[in-house]
Amino acid sequence: AQTVTQSQPEMSVQEAETVTLSCTYDTSESDYYLFWYKQPPSRQMILVIRQEAYKQQNATENRFSVNFQKAAKSFSLKISDSQLGDAAMYFCAYRSRDDKIIFGKGTRLHILP
Amino acid sequence: NAGVMQNPRHLVRRRGQEARLRCSPMKGHSHVYWYRQLPEEGLKFMVYLQKENIIDESGMPKERFSAEFPKEGPSILRIQQVVRGDSAAYFCASRKPSTDTQYFGPGTRLTVL
Repeated sequence: AQTVTQSQPEMSVQEAETVTLSCTYDTSESDYYLFWYKQPPSRQMILVIRQEAYKQQNATENRFSVNFQKAAKSFSLKISDSQLGDAAMYFCAYRSRDDKIIFGKGTRLHILP
Repeated sequence: NAGVMQNPRHLVRRRGQEARLRCSPMKGHSHVYWYRQLPEEGLKFMVYLQKENIIDESGMPKERFSAEFPKEGPSILRIQQVVRGDSAAYFCASRKPSTDTQYFGPGTRLTVL
């Protein structure tokens, strides 16, 4: 069975600085998708970025980018120029071949003004 | 294009009552998923439905829980004879056929007294 591990329950970063959230996963599948979701205090789940496993190029969405290391089964999220609105829980997620999404336990990100 | 709609946003029930949670997927989305989030946890898959069919209910408790996605109308997650342990946030997600990204609704927070 697939698992997703986020080893940092909480992190803090100064406003305008860069922060990296870690995620590792375990799978025997070769083709899959990885996601980062953001959950602000409103509890809405917001898709931040997605990565197809067959693509070597790391996905980027404005200030958000990933470092996808398929062999190491690592999928970290980098947030550049952190803003107060980035404060939230961030969940790393894996979409399996049977179409379920498996979530990590989350990392709570604090932005310090 | 409206996002995934869920109602009610908050639901309070006493032990033994029934809870009905509704999810209207995005337009054109025929695949619906239900997830449960316990406090300070990531989301856990419950059930995957397509119109009039349950595709995968492996994450749903065998007793008291049921889900449907009729030809017309929203998807319904039904919890009979609720217990305190059912208190959680329940999220619905939907996606279009032949795509991989699930879009989440705002969730229903169920509180069982």
